[in-house]
Amino acid sequence: DGGITQSPKYLFRKEGQNVTLSCEQNLNHDAMYWYRQDPGQGLRLIYYSQIVNDFQKGDIAEGYSVSREKKESFPLTVTSAQKNPTAFYLCASLRSSGTLNTGELFFGEGSRLTVL
Amino acid sequence: KQEVTQIPAALSVPEGENLVLNCSFTDSAIYNLQWFRQDPGKGLTSLLLIQSSQREQTSGRLNASLDKSSGRSTLYIAASQPGDSATYLCAVPFQGGSEKLVFGKGTKLTVNP
Repeated sequence: DGGITQSPKYLFRKEGQNVTLSCEQNLNHDAMYWYRQDPGQGLRLIYYSQIVNDFQKGDIAEGYSVSREKKESFPLTVTSAQKNPTAFYLCASLRSSGTLNTGELFFGEGSRLTVL
Repeated sequence: KQEVTQIPAALSVPEGENLVLNCSFTDSAIYNLQWFRQDPGKGLTSLLLIQSSQREQTSGRLNASLDKSSGRSTLYIAASQPGDSATYLCAVPFQGGSEKLVFGKGTKLTVNP
């Protein structure tokens, strides 16, 4: 079955440590996204990538880094510079219909990061 | 700047009731609007995608409408069931055909048996 796989589902980190969240999709989608979700705040865009080897900062990119070396993979690193990293992280990809952003967004199951 | 508002923030209804969830957006020059469902601790599931050229989309008991001129969309749920309990979110492009989406904060729906 096609879909988006995020791992790990739960992650605990000590302050000062970097951690990498995995996102893999087998939907053959070009564009991929990372969102952060906090209670009462809604989804906020961290980074997105429209094509391999290219990515752009979203609204809250500080303290995060990404790479897009393969179409299928878009890992997110939460660095020690991120001041409040405890959150629910969601990866998504866009199924484009061919014209500019008339596509449909699909999400993985999320990764919950807790900093101890 | 595109802003998305969903009212009410929470809604509780008895089973079997028909209900409407609202989504409003400030920049009406959008290419599409998408409705999602999110269960606690889970990712978002796409429910309906409405293109700017469409006025509504239907899937089973769900019907979503789009009125670009007034900056509004509604999600109609017919004959609600306890399994419909979840948070419902809408999202629109940041501007026009932008690949960035802006999300509302959602409406938390509880359907009581």
